[in-house]
Amino acid sequence: DIQMTQSPSSMSASLGDTVTITCLASQDIGNYLSWYQQKPGKSPKLMIYGATNLEDGVPSRFSGSRSGSDYSLTINSLGYDDEGIYHCHQYYEYPYTFGAGTKLELK
Amino acid sequence: EVQLQESGPGLVKPSQSLSLTCSVTGYSITSNYWGWIRKFPGNKMEWMGYISYSGSTSYNPSLKSRISITRDTSKNQFFLQLNSVTTEDTATYYCAKKAGGDYFDYWGQGVMVTVSS
Repeated sequence: DIQMTQSPSSMSASLGDTVTITCLASQDIGNYLSWYQQKPGKSPKLMIYGATNLEDGVPSRFSGSRSGSDYSLTINSLGYDDEGIYHCHQYYEYPYTFGAGTKLELK
Repeated sequence: EVQLQESGPGLVKPSQSLSLTCSVTGYSITSNYWGWIRKFPGNKMEWMGYISYSGSTSYNPSLKSRISITRDTSKNQFFLQLNSVTTEDTATYYCAKKAGGDYFDYWGQGVMVTVSS
């Protein structure tokens, strides 16, 4: 199975900050990487697909990038609505796998 | 608007079977692929399997001997059955729709299932 190593596991940032969450794939997954935001008691919300494509309706403060096997989700101008758990997900091959999640809190 | 809603018992005894239903509105399950994903306490997520528009299935090998995904197209529902559950199957279970690009674009709200005697 492809392992997705996500970091950090948790982070705390201030309003207006820029934060970056990363996932390292254990093998090549091309751009078959998506990012989800999940709030307590809610379903995961698709934010980024194809490593860099913003889902419709997602603020442009969110962006995805790739450098080799490293994938990043960057959030600019952090707001309180951005709190939650972020998951990366590879859909390059079965079984699909996810990162361990990053809990983002605002100070 | 596409909506998915999971339903089923929140408590299952060890060694018994877990059975969940995903009811879909706004989209026919005879199109695209439909999956089950679970999130364990501690936030780790696991893809369990899918059923396709044609009724074919694919399962995570880690579950292959215990899992079955079926559907009722007349009710636009698909189902998860997981046999011989243990406490390690305690999780929140989600059903989801795959987009054309194979990522999941719509998810249900999730149902928390606890395995305990």
